[in-house]
Amino acid sequence: AQTVTQSQPEMSVQEAETVTLSCTYDTSESDYYLFWYKQPPSRQMILVIRQEAYKQQNATENRFSVNFQKAAKSFSLKISDSQLGDAAMYFCASLLTGANSKLTFGKGITLSVRP
Amino acid sequence: NAGVTQTPKFQVLKTGQSMTLQCAQDMNHEYMSWYRQDPGMGLRLIHYSVGAGITDQGEVPNGYNVSRSTTEDFPLRLLSAAPSQTSVYFCASSTSVALSYEQYFGPGTRLTVT
Repeated sequence: AQTVTQSQPEMSVQEAETVTLSCTYDTSESDYYLFWYKQPPSRQMILVIRQEAYKQQNATENRFSVNFQKAAKSFSLKISDSQLGDAAMYFCASLLTGANSKLTFGKGITLSVRP
Repeated sequence: NAGVTQTPKFQVLKTGQSMTLQCAQDMNHEYMSWYRQDPGMGLRLIHYSVGAGITDQGEVPNGYNVSRSTTEDFPLRLLSAAPSQTSVYFCASSTSVALSYEQYFGPGTRLTVT
């Protein structure tokens, strides 16, 4: 079984500043993927970034990067130069690969951006 | 390219009524899933399918049925609606081709059961 924990329900960041959203996960498998999804008020789920567990290099997508600590089972998301449009709910998720691949989500964190 | 579509976008049911939430994808993805989203609970997996004719239960399957007769469609049936099923429902699809596994989500259905 997989579990994903996002212990902070809410965070706030000043526009143009950097913020880090925390996530820990638990799995006994060695082959898995980790994701961060963004859900703005429109309700649409948008993939922010993806990390393959077998890759040591941290994934980066423009202003978004992750700190993947496999031994500690930690997968935090860093948002640099925060923008008003970054205000949303963010979900961390893990996925085991294989025949019964399914995604397990954390409870989410609401990020607000102060102008 | 429509991606993942869901109908309806909103629905109000009375307790005991049945209905089907529709989900379709046009990306030839083998995996399809249904999630429900409740405040403070994240998204929880209801049922999923790894291909046409194959379905399995997720974390919260009680009160829901699914079938997958084609690759494209994955309807979710509420057999006898209960107020506890008031939620936002998301359908998603993904593929293992090229080790993608990215889940593509539909726009969601907000269901209220009174």
